[in-house]
Amino acid sequence: AQSVTQLDSHVSVSEGTPVLLRCNYSSSYSPSLFWYVQHPNKGLQLLLKYTSAATLVKGINGFEAEFKKSETSFHLTKPSAHMSDAAEYFCVVSRAGDMRFGAGTRLTVKP
Amino acid sequence: DSGVTQTPKHLITATGQRVTLRCSPRSGDLSVYWYQQSLDQGLQFLIQYYNGEERAKGNILERFSAQQFPDLHSELNLSSLELGDSALYFCASSVGATSGNTIYFGEGSWLTVV
Repeated sequence: AQSVTQLDSHVSVSEGTPVLLRCNYSSSYSPSLFWYVQHPNKGLQLLLKYTSAATLVKGINGFEAEFKKSETSFHLTKPSAHMSDAAEYFCVVSRAGDMRFGAGTRLTVKP
Repeated sequence: DSGVTQTPKHLITATGQRVTLRCSPRSGDLSVYWYQQSLDQGLQFLIQYYNGEERAKGNILERFSAQQFPDLHSELNLSSLELGDSALYFCASSVGATSGNTIYFGEGSWLTVV
């Protein structure tokens, strides 16, 4: 069985400051890990994915995530938040077609 | 635009009724997935089809069924609807069926059961 836990349901940052969205996973095997973003009334858009290649994964819009097997974590970071980053973010673990979504983290960006 | 098309975008129906949600995957994608997103249960995987065959099953109720047609479009049928079925239903697609494939999501079909 596999699961994913997003440690914060809501994160609030000021524009221009760093973003950290935390995700821990549980999987019996080497999983694939993804971060998706959902803007209001929109579908989910892939930010980045990890599939056992480089542990530091760069995604779109300046986001990146680091796979740390020893900590079973896949935290999402961005050096400088932009107002347009305000959205819901989902961490996803996938193995053999079974995708498990985290509960989501709502990111608020203050001017 | 992900290339995944879902219809209808919004649907309001009464309890006990049956509805069909339709999904056209991205061109070239063989896998189709259905997800349900609700406030209390979050985003839940329902079912996956790959090239017309059921590939994986998640938390799909017996009142719900899906299929993927030879042209690869998919339909999700929801019957004997209850108030709790009100949710946003997403379709997604990917080229293959394995865990490393990137999954692209449609914009969803909002279902309201009254």
